[in-house]
Amino acid sequence: GAGVSQSPSNKVTEKGKDVELRCDPISGHTALYWYRQRLGQGLEFLIYFQGNSAPDKSGLPSDRFSAERTGESVSTLTIQRTQQEDSAVYLCASSSQTGLYGYTFGSGTRLTVV
Amino acid sequence: DAKTTQPTSMDCAEGRAANLPCNHSTISGNEYVYWYRQIHSQGPQYIIHGLKNNETNEMASLIITEDRKSSTLILPHATLRDTAVYYCIVRVANTGNQFYFGTGTSLTVIP
Repeated sequence: GAGVSQSPSNKVTEKGKDVELRCDPISGHTALYWYRQRLGQGLEFLIYFQGNSAPDKSGLPSDRFSAERTGESVSTLTIQRTQQEDSAVYLCASSSQTGLYGYTFGSGTRLTVV
Repeated sequence: DAKTTQPTSMDCAEGRAANLPCNHSTISGNEYVYWYRQIHSQGPQYIIHGLKNNETNEMASLIITEDRKSSTLILPHATLRDTAVYYCIVRVANTGNQFYFGTGTSLTVIP
């Protein structure tokens, strides 16, 4: 596609429920990244996929968070047993293999846990 | 990746040049300087990057000092739509590794 697409754009969920966030990267981009941004704060790295290599999961805050990516296409970020501190905007970005010309970000999913 | 230091906030009059500084005194020889910006409620947007030479594109100019320990992003004629948080990041290119976003500079363009 022309840009990085994320869905849903907004999600309100009850504490304790599981949520799944989706990211469609730019076609041909082998690298895909998930970031989290809490209100008024900077971007927090979560996970990075590069082609068929093992993902870099070093930023995932707890075992309630997981992500998958099929080949070089869609990625899903799953948060199990959501907590109020999970409320944030979840941003996905994609890039070429080297990322030399930077990332392209999606518009994010705003998650609110009530 | 090397750390960067940016002012927390800046103001600029509409139509004037906005000069946003960044210090990266521990930058390595193979690290590029990248600039992104984030307009309220949107994902960050890539602006420009450079290694040693000054760079210019349709959005901005990047001036890197000869010792590469600091740089300046220049928006030549700031508009109200340039109000955003601007992030300066140094990163080894050709690795695909993640960018580490700091707190950036909040630029307010004043009418």
